Amino acid sequence: GQSLEQPSEVTAVEGAIVQINCTYQTSGFYGLSWYQQHDGGAPTFLSYNALDGLEETGRFSSFLSRSDSYGYLLLQELQMKDSASYFCAVTANSGNTPLVFGKGTRLSVIA
Amino acid sequence: DAGVIQSPRHEVTEMGQEVTLRCKPISGHNSLFWYRQTMMRGLELLIYFNNNVPIDDSGMPEDRFSAKMPNASFSTLKIQPSEPRDSAVYFCASSSRGANYGYTFGSGTRLTVV
Repeated sequence: GQSLEQPSEVTAVEGAIVQINCTYQTSGFYGLSWYQQHDGGAPTFLSYNALDGLEETGRFSSFLSRSDSYGYLLLQELQMKDSASYFCAVTANSGNTPLVFGKGTRLSVIA
Repeated sequence: DAGVIQSPRHEVTEMGQEVTLRCKPISGHNSLFWYRQTMMRGLELLIYFNNNVPIDDSGMPEDRFSAKMPNASFSTLKIQPSEPRDSAVYFCASSSRGANYGYTFGSGTRLTVV
């Protein structure tokens, strides 16, 4: 089976840094993905980690620790437009199983 | 590329009626996924196809739900008869190379059953 835990809500100040954590219990874990979803919109792909360590893409970075079954999404230089829900998702069995999503973290960026 | 195209964007129907949701994946993508999103249950996988073949439909909640993919460019999700608890946003997504390159989601169909 698969289960993911992430905080339901996070609030941060514009220009600051925020970290959204995700822990998972996944048989045959293969990789951890992150998606962003604005209200009324579709989930959009942000990042994917299969190996331990940090992956950086612009203001967003994603980290994975396979031994701790833990990952996080780091957002730097927060902007108002970053207010959205962020989902972690896992795939298993050499990536042959479809993504299973966490419940999402709603990020509110305030001035 | 127009992305993944879903229709209709919104559907309001009466309980007991048949509902058909449609999806056109990105050309060249060989995997197609149907997800349902609600506040209570989040994003749930209903069914997915590889090369037009249904691989796993264990997420389909009941026999009232069925999905088809007659060719590489079209898929339908049908609910018959519909019930108020089916109210949700239904997303179709496609992928060419698996999770590591990301899924592309359509804009979704917001279904309301009254």
